[in-house]
Amino acid sequence: DAGVIQSPRHEVTEMGQEVTLRCKPISGHNSLFWYRQTMMRGLELLIYFNNNVPIDDSGMPEDRFSAKMPNASFSTLKIQPSEPRDSAVYFCASSTDRPDTQYFGPGTRLTVL
Amino acid sequence: KNEVEQSPQNLTAQEGEFITINCSYSVGISALHWLQQHPGGGIVSLFMLSSGKKKHGRLIATINIQEKHSSLHITASHPRDSAVYICAPRGDDMRFGAGTRLTVKP
Repeated sequence: DAGVIQSPRHEVTEMGQEVTLRCKPISGHNSLFWYRQTMMRGLELLIYFNNNVPIDDSGMPEDRFSAKMPNASFSTLKIQPSEPRDSAVYFCASSTDRPDTQYFGPGTRLTVL
Repeated sequence: KNEVEQSPQNLTAQEGEFITINCSYSVGISALHWLQQHPGGGIVSLFMLSSGKKKHGRLIATINIQEKHSSLHITASHPRDSAVYICAPRGDDMRFGAGTRLTVKP
C-alpha cells in the first residue's frame, strides 16, 4: 500500500483565498484524522471521521474551516477565506479504528501570505 | 481540560545510552499515543497503549493509569533515533505534548 497520500505537499496562497487540502487514507482504514501543527501550538487534532461520518470536530478552529469525507477513500479540508495565522503543516492520518495505531501522511505545508 | 507535560524538552545522548522520556497528563484517558517526528517532518506512530507496557525492538512504552504518567524508553540509542517524540493522551479530547527533541551523537 502507498500509505496515506496528501496533496498538495506545499501550498502558498494569499490571504482571503480558498484553500483545499486533500487526503487519501490507507485502503481498509475506517477512521481518518486531520491535524494541524504550528511552532506555537504544536500538534492539534482538528477533526475525526469514522466510516465517513464526522464524529468529533471540536478542534476545528472556526467556521472558516470545513472538512468532508464523501467516501472511504477521500477527504478534504477547506479553509475559506484563508488567513496568515492558518499557516501550518496539516497532517492527515488513518487507522482501522479510533484507538488503533494511526498512519500519518507526509503533510501539507500551507503558507498564507 | 487535558493538560500534557513532557520532559525533558531537549535531550542529548551518546550512542548506546539508555533514554527515558516522560509524559504526564491531567485527566482520565482511554489510550495514549507515542509519536516520532523525524527531522524531515514525517510522523510515525510508535505505540498506542491503554495499560501496562509495550515493546517494539529497542523501544519500550509504559503507562501508569492511576498516576497519569507514561514513559518512553529507548535502549542502546542510535543516531537514527534522533527525532522529536510526542505523547498524545486521549481522554474526552486528544491533546499533544510539546515534544522532546532527542539528539543521539555517534
